[in-house]
Amino acid sequence: EDQVTQSPEALRLQEGESSSLNCSYTVSGLRGLFWYRQDPGKGPEFLFTLYSAGEEKEKERLKATLTKKESFLHITAPKPEDSATYLCAVQAGNKLVFGAGTILRVKS
Amino acid sequence: DTEVTQTPKHLVMGMTNKKSLKCEQHMGHRAMYWYKQKAKKPPELMFVYSYEKLSINESVPSRFSPECPNSSLLNLHLHALQPEDSALYLCASSRVRTDTQYFGPGTRLTVL
Repeated sequence: EDQVTQSPEALRLQEGESSSLNCSYTVSGLRGLFWYRQDPGKGPEFLFTLYSAGEEKEKERLKATLTKKESFLHITAPKPEDSATYLCAVQAGNKLVFGAGTILRVKS
Repeated sequence: DTEVTQTPKHLVMGMTNKKSLKCEQHMGHRAMYWYKQKAKKPPELMFVYSYEKLSINESVPSRFSPECPNSSLLNLHLHALQPEDSALYLCASSRVRTDTQYFGPGTRLTVL
């Protein structure tokens, strides 16, 4: 069965304290792994798409990496405005399978 | 531009009402989706349209009726909903069915 597990469920950081979010997956034939950011009451905002092991993508303070079993979202020197829920999803056949998300809180 | 728009932003309806949610994109995407999201849960897929034809219905109750009038528009018609249908309804689109999906801001639906 296609499955996505995100950890930790919640993460509290001080401003400037770098960390990583994990997304482990089991899927028959990965056709893409996606990271989204979601603010409360709003739609998910697209961040990255990764297709193959070893691939890395960066955007401002965020960097996403992919291996054959998991993906990491590295956050460097986070700011309070980075506080959000981060969702990981994999393309499994014709559907996206989402993880439960990691709630990130960055305190100043 | 990767914008998907949804109207209305908020909707309150009674269990006997009929209402519609609307979604629009002008990115030339040929796949469009409806998702339902409850608080503190990830989005759940409801329907997928590909080239204006319904390709996936995730066993959604018939009180939800999707419609794709053209390649830019997606509607979700609501009738005789239950209070447990209260949720954030998200529309998304992608270039083709397996490509990156871009989400709209959502419609917050409350059923009284």
